[in-house]
Amino acid sequence: AQSVAQPEDQVNVAEGNPLTVKCTYSVSGNPYLFWYVQYPNRGLQFLLKYITGDNLVKGSYGFEAEFNKSQTSFHLKKPSALVSDSALYFCAVRDIGNNQGGKLIFGQGTELSVKP
Amino acid sequence: NAGVTQTPKFQVLKTGQSMTLQCAQDMNHNSMYWYRQDPGMGLRLIYYSASEGTTDKGEVPNGYNVSRLNKREFSLRLESAAPSQTSVYFCASTIPGLARADTQYFGPGTRLTVL
Repeated sequence: AQSVAQPEDQVNVAEGNPLTVKCTYSVSGNPYLFWYVQYPNRGLQFLLKYITGDNLVKGSYGFEAEFNKSQTSFHLKKPSALVSDSALYFCAVRDIGNNQGGKLIFGQGTELSVKP
Repeated sequence: NAGVTQTPKFQVLKTGQSMTLQCAQDMNHNSMYWYRQDPGMGLRLIYYSASEGTTDKGEVPNGYNVSRLNKREFSLRLESAAPSQTSVYFCASTIPGLARADTQYFGPGTRLTVL
């Protein structure tokens, strides 16, 4: 069965430092991977996705993610964190198989806290 | 474009009461979804509708029913609410014709408390 894991419940970073939010996946076949962000009391917002092609994917708000097939990882990164990046981040993988509805499987989320 | 809208934003129910959560999208998306979000659990799929006229169970369908009223609207009904259904509920929809892309767009959520 497909699954995605976010090993860290919380990540703390100082403003201006680089940040990484980790995600590992388990799928059969080629994975379609996503990152979403949730600000307090809001719905999820799409950040970026990997379908195929370049392993480094660039997304919204200066975020990028690196797809690593050998390590089955899709870590989210940003070179210089902002206080406004503080939010809950979700990794997701497309559920394959009989999936005409484009279902996604979400990780449990990682709370990112950026301090001034 | 309003995107994905949900009503109500907040609701408090007593155990055994029923209610319907409404969701509508104006992006001409084919597929729509209902999730619940609980602390430490991420988002779990309750039901989804791949296209107008079809609905299917997700990971946690027990205690819920859905109706895909038309292409725009997808409602979630709790027939007899239980405290275990206290959660934040999100509706989402997907761009049509890009089945392998599946970028989902989310509504603002409904915060439901069952006493």
